[in-house]
Amino acid sequence: DVVLTQSPLSLPVTLGQSASISCRSSQSLLYSDGNTYLSWFQQRPGQSPRRLIYEISKRYSGVPDRFSGSGSGTYFTLKISRVEAEDVGVYYCMQGAHWPRTFGQGTRVEIK
Amino acid sequence: EVQLVESGGGLVQPGRSLRLSCGASGFTFSDFWMTWVRQAPGKGLEWVAHIKRDGSEKYVVDSVKGRFTISRDNAKSSLYLEMNSLRVEDTAVYYCVRGAYGPDYWGQGTRVTVSS
Repeated sequence: DVVLTQSPLSLPVTLGQSASISCRSSQSLLYSDGNTYLSWFQQRPGQSPRRLIYEISKRYSGVPDRFSGSGSGTYFTLKISRVEAEDVGVYYCMQGAHWPRTFGQGTRVEIK
Repeated sequence: EVQLVESGGGLVQPGRSLRLSCGASGFTFSDFWMTWVRQAPGKGLEWVAHIKRDGSEKYVVDSVKGRFTISRDNAKSSLYLEMNSLRVEDTAVYYCVRGAYGPDYWGQGTRVTVSS
């Protein structure tokens, strides 16, 4: 199975500052159709996961542009610029290139 | 507006069965792969199964293979998860999710508790 390793697992941030989460894959996530299926999700306390980013860097409609994704191959990053209180929660990366699909362990973002 | 509404969860004894349902609206259900993802209490996300648009391809994670079956009824815009021989470790919130490569919409989840 593809292992996705996120770091850090806990991320205290100051309001208005930036935060960065990395996701390292044990295999390339480049699929045969030429797309790289790496997504990011946010799960606020008590809520369902919410889509943020797909195919490394494409932001879903309605997602603030403070959220950005980057990377390639096996190393990916989610950056949150100007962190706001509503960004508190757990962030997961997920790969859709291999079966079984897998998620990272999650990174808990909290306000200092 | 895309909506996914799960139902069918509850408290069940080990070894018993349960059938989860997911009603979809706001999009053409038959155009999308569909997925079940679960989350054990206080834990991360685990992909359980997904099914192709027309139901011709199904993938089930090894930990539930032979016990869980995913299916769909495109005429009813509904997704199902038949869960047999339930184990304590199957206790989780089960989410219905649209998509299988870059999933996007998630339901609110239905809680399954397996306990004697």
